[in-house]
Amino acid sequence: EDQVTQSPEALRLQEGESSSLNCSYTVSGLRGLFWYRQDPGKGPEFLFTLYSAGEEKEKERLKATLTKKESFLHITAPKPEDSATYLCAVQAGSNYQLIWGAGTKLIIKP
Amino acid sequence: GAVVSQHPSRVICKSGTSVKIECRSLDFQATTMFWYRQFPKQSLMLMATSNEGSKATYEQGVEKDKFLINHASLTLSTLTVTSAHPEDSSFYICSARDQTRGNEQFFGPGTRLTVL
Repeated sequence: EDQVTQSPEALRLQEGESSSLNCSYTVSGLRGLFWYRQDPGKGPEFLFTLYSAGEEKEKERLKATLTKKESFLHITAPKPEDSATYLCAVQAGSNYQLIWGAGTKLIIKP
Repeated sequence: GAVVSQHPSRVICKSGTSVKIECRSLDFQATTMFWYRQFPKQSLMLMATSNEGSKATYEQGVEKDKFLINHASLTLSTLTVTSAHPEDSSFYICSARDQTRGNEQFFGPGTRLTVL
């Protein structure tokens, strides 16, 4: 069964303290792995798409990497405005539906 | 680019009434749109997938007669919650796929539905 697991459920960091969020997946035929950011009461905001193992993408303080079993979202020197829930999703079928992880709630304390 | 809007952002209605939520892709054509439901502190739950000009495909357990989806154009999909009850209260979010950009889904801001 296709599955996406994110860890940790919640992460509290001090401002400037770098860390990583994990997204592990078991799917047959990965067609893409997606990272989103969601603020309370809002829709998810697209961050990255990764298609193949070894691929990396960066945006400001965020860097996403992909292996054959998992993806990491590295956050470097985070700021309080980086506080949000980060969602990981994978596409495995041909109908463009996504399989979602439960998310990691990231809190950056000033 | 890739902006998706939803209207209304918030709606309160009485039990038994119907509510229509609109989802529009503002700067691209969306051949496929998705409707999700999200409960507090939970991840997104896919309700249905709609393709322009054809009937929506509903996920298991989602009543198609209760949640009517229409995707009449490449920029507009609507979700109508019919005969709403308090248990239908939730955060409804739509997303749209821009086939020229790849497989990403771009999300609307969501609609908070409260049924009294």
